[in-house]
Amino acid sequence: NAGVTQTPKFQVLKTGQSMTLQCAQDMNHEYMSWYRQDPGMGLRLIHYSVGAGITDQGEVPNGYNVSRSTTEDFPLRLLSAAPSQTSVYFCASRPVQRTEAFFGQGTRLTVV
Amino acid sequence: KQEVTQIPAALSVPEGENLVLNCSFTDSAIYNLQWFRQDPGKGLTSLLLIQSSQREQTSGRLNASLDKSSGRSTLYIAASQPGDSATYLCAVRRNDMRFGAGTRLTVKP
Repeated sequence: NAGVTQTPKFQVLKTGQSMTLQCAQDMNHEYMSWYRQDPGMGLRLIHYSVGAGITDQGEVPNGYNVSRSTTEDFPLRLLSAAPSQTSVYFCASRPVQRTEAFFGQGTRLTVV
Repeated sequence: KQEVTQIPAALSVPEGENLVLNCSFTDSAIYNLQWFRQDPGKGLTSLLLIQSSQREQTSGRLNASLDKSSGRSTLYIAASQPGDSATYLCAVRRNDMRFGAGTRLTVKP
């Protein structure tokens, strides 16, 4: 059971480049979400999805897009990377509203 | 808007000491509260989940309590060990999950 898998683990982008952070879970969880973690600020919610075909914005959605075509996958797209998006990104999943969340190992992104 | 605060931001203790980490939140209308451990450069590992109807949860040397009315939770670690050194995060959930900034714990041999 792989749990929540994120790729890549590390990435360096130039300002203006685009890329997609991948997230896959094999637990058949309905709910998936993306967070960013910055020093001293804890984790902040970017986007989330309550099931295939349904996505919504979190606390800090600007500059990011998501889609959910399957239950397993929830990619996060940076359309035009900015230095302010330098952060560690975590994907999480959980089965229903009231249960515990499982996190991936994170993607460390640097935008230069 | 839900605000989650963890105090202290950093804590250093000698091995064997019992310790308490604190988490406070401003909106008591939560579904649950979850404590995580994060090692440097790693992801989050779930330690304990307390549903809103529960007062505490225990796992081994860890005990987490929840007082919804006062907006507080504590994580008690008994007989601390150097392997407990990590950052501990609390998160509360209603419609989404809100995190505190964490407490960085160092247990010295």
